Amino acid sequence: DVVMTQSPLSLAVTLGQPASISCMSSQSLVYSDGITYLNWFHQRPGQSPRLLIYKVSNRDSGVPDRFSGSGSGTDFTLKISRVEAEDVGIYYCMQATHSWTFGQGTKVEVK
Amino acid sequence: EVQLVESGGGLVKPGGSLRLSCAASGFTFSTYSMNWVRQAPGKGLEWVSSISTNSQYKYYADSVKGRLTISRDNARNSLYLQMNSLRAEDTAVYYCVRDSSYFDYWGQGARVTVSS
Repeated sequence: DVVMTQSPLSLAVTLGQPASISCMSSQSLVYSDGITYLNWFHQRPGQSPRLLIYKVSNRDSGVPDRFSGSGSGTDFTLKISRVEAEDVGIYYCMQATHSWTFGQGTKVEVK
Repeated sequence: EVQLVESGGGLVKPGGSLRLSCAASGFTFSTYSMNWVRQAPGKGLEWVSSISTNSQYKYYADSVKGRLTISRDNARNSLYLQMNSLRAEDTAVYYCVRDSSYFDYWGQGARVTVSS
């Protein structure tokens, strides 16, 4: 089974400052079709998760451009260029190349 | 507007059964694979099960294999999760999720509590 490991597990950021979350997989996430099925989600307290980034670097509809995804193979990163108050919550990476597996989640708070 | 509305959650005793439903609207349900994802209290997200468009393919997490059964009715635009032999560790919010090769729409969740 593919294991997804996120770091850090908790992050306190000053408003307006950047933030970065790492996600590493135990094996390559490149599928036989050449596509890497690595996605990022954001979950605010008491809400359902929301898709932010799909296939490594594609922002979902309505996602602000301060969010960006990058990476390849087994190493991936979600970056927030300037954290806003509404960005608090938990961020999850998820792979859909070998069945489906989520990372443990990274809790983002504002200092 | 895409909507996924779960129902059927509740309190059940260990060893009992429950059936979750998900009513889909706002898109052509029959053309999308669908999933169930759960979240135990205070914990992260766990993929539970997936079903292909015509129900030909069904996949399960090892933790639920043999006890939970996914199904769908494309004529009724509905997704189901039959939950048997429930355990305390199945206590969670269960989300119905659309699959566009990524999980793009999530329902509000149905809470399942397994307790005596």
